[in-house]
Amino acid sequence: GNSVTQMEGPVTLSEEAFLTINCTYTATGYPSLFWYVQYPGEGLQLLLKATKADDKGSNKGFEATYRKETTSFHLEKGSVQVSDSAVYFCALSGFQGAQKLVFGQGTRLTINP
Amino acid sequence: DTGVSQDPRHKITKRGQNVTFRCDPISEHNRLYWYRQTLGQGPEFLTYFQNEAQLEKSRLLSDRFSAERPKGSFSTLEIQRTEQGDSAMYLCASSLYWRENTGELFFGEGSRLTVL
Repeated sequence: GNSVTQMEGPVTLSEEAFLTINCTYTATGYPSLFWYVQYPGEGLQLLLKATKADDKGSNKGFEATYRKETTSFHLEKGSVQVSDSAVYFCALSGFQGAQKLVFGQGTRLTINP
Repeated sequence: DTGVSQDPRHKITKRGQNVTFRCDPISEHNRLYWYRQTLGQGPEFLTYFQNEAQLEKSRLLSDRFSAERPKGSFSTLEIQRTEQGDSAMYLCASSLYWRENTGELFFGEGSRLTVL
């Protein structure tokens, strides 16, 4: 079945540091890939997505590239801010427009000033 | 506020009691999803509706769980004879689905269940 594996957290960085959160997946067919973020006290929000191989999703300075050959969708940001502190979830949805999401376990990110 | 709303936000109950959670999706959304999230884990799919039809149920959804979306608008998730293992955050999400859409699910803030 479909599954998502994220790097284990928590991750603690200083402001302006470079961020990478690894995500790999197992899926049949051609899934769409997502990063969702959960800020303290808020619901999950879509951060970015990519729907086919080699697509790059980007938003708020974050980027992730859909790599079919390595089945990966790593999240990166060049310079993190304190306000980026949150829990980040990698997720996939099946092909043919199915929107049911399969999530990774989440990575808690803390940015210190 | 036009987002997904869930009620109650927190429910504490004793083992064996029944509980019901309500979700009001974004008004024009035709799909509604329920997920369960335990501490330190990602959300796990429970079930989803397209309009009033329940299209899929996870193996996680035991016979004690039932979900409805009677008029294709709000949905309820009922847990009967609660067990301590049911303690979790129950998340609702909605989306506007059409065949070529690999779009976004909009999540509510969740209903946290604590079973004593």
